Amino acid sequence: DAGVIQSPRHEVTEMGQEVTLRCKPISGHNSLFWYRQTMMRGLELLIYFNNNVPIDDSGMPEDRFSAKMPNASFSTLKIQPSEPRDSAVYFCASSPFGTNEKLFFGSGTQLSVL
Amino acid sequence: DAKTTQPPSMDCAEGRAANLPCNHSTISGNEYVYWYRQIHSQGPQYIIHGLKNNETNEMASLIITEDRKSSTLILPHATLRDTAVYYCIVSSGGSNYKLTFGKGTLLTVNP
Repeated sequence: DAGVIQSPRHEVTEMGQEVTLRCKPISGHNSLFWYRQTMMRGLELLIYFNNNVPIDDSGMPEDRFSAKMPNASFSTLKIQPSEPRDSAVYFCASSPFGTNEKLFFGSGTQLSVL
Repeated sequence: DAKTTQPPSMDCAEGRAANLPCNHSTISGNEYVYWYRQIHSQGPQYIIHGLKNNETNEMASLIITEDRKSSTLILPHATLRDTAVYYCIVSSGGSNYKLTFGKGTLLTVNP
């Protein structure tokens, strides 16, 4: 199993540009999570999906952030427009049916907004 | 959710056992204790979890006190590759529950 796959690994963009982060969960997992990690705030849960349906997006910082899961094997996190304070490592994780505690994380996307 | 308290950092000599404590004095009866770790520049990795009995797997052992107010993660023979931030999380579980990570303990394994 290839694990959770995120792309790109690194993204450098300029303020105001649109950024799209991508995630492929482990096959058969039915829950998907987007986390953000910064030195100041640690690991924060942004949003999670069960069976492709958003369950809790209370961690999404503002309307500039949106996430979609069009099917069981793909999810995107979009920031439009991006701002320097969005610079962080964004992690995607998935979990098997019935439990949201045994998470399998991807390698993350390091986002730098200049 | 019950709050957890962990020391910010710990050191351990390579080859020795690393014992990482976690306090969760407000844990309720249906809440599990989960441990994750995050090696630098990687995503967090699940280690082990338990409810009230001690648990062991290929990575570590989890000792939960009888009153369940604290627990200890034991890495029996720490290696340099075990240097990481270790997170203790209390969770009631289920398909509609989300894990919240605290600041964790930075374990440094020294040669």
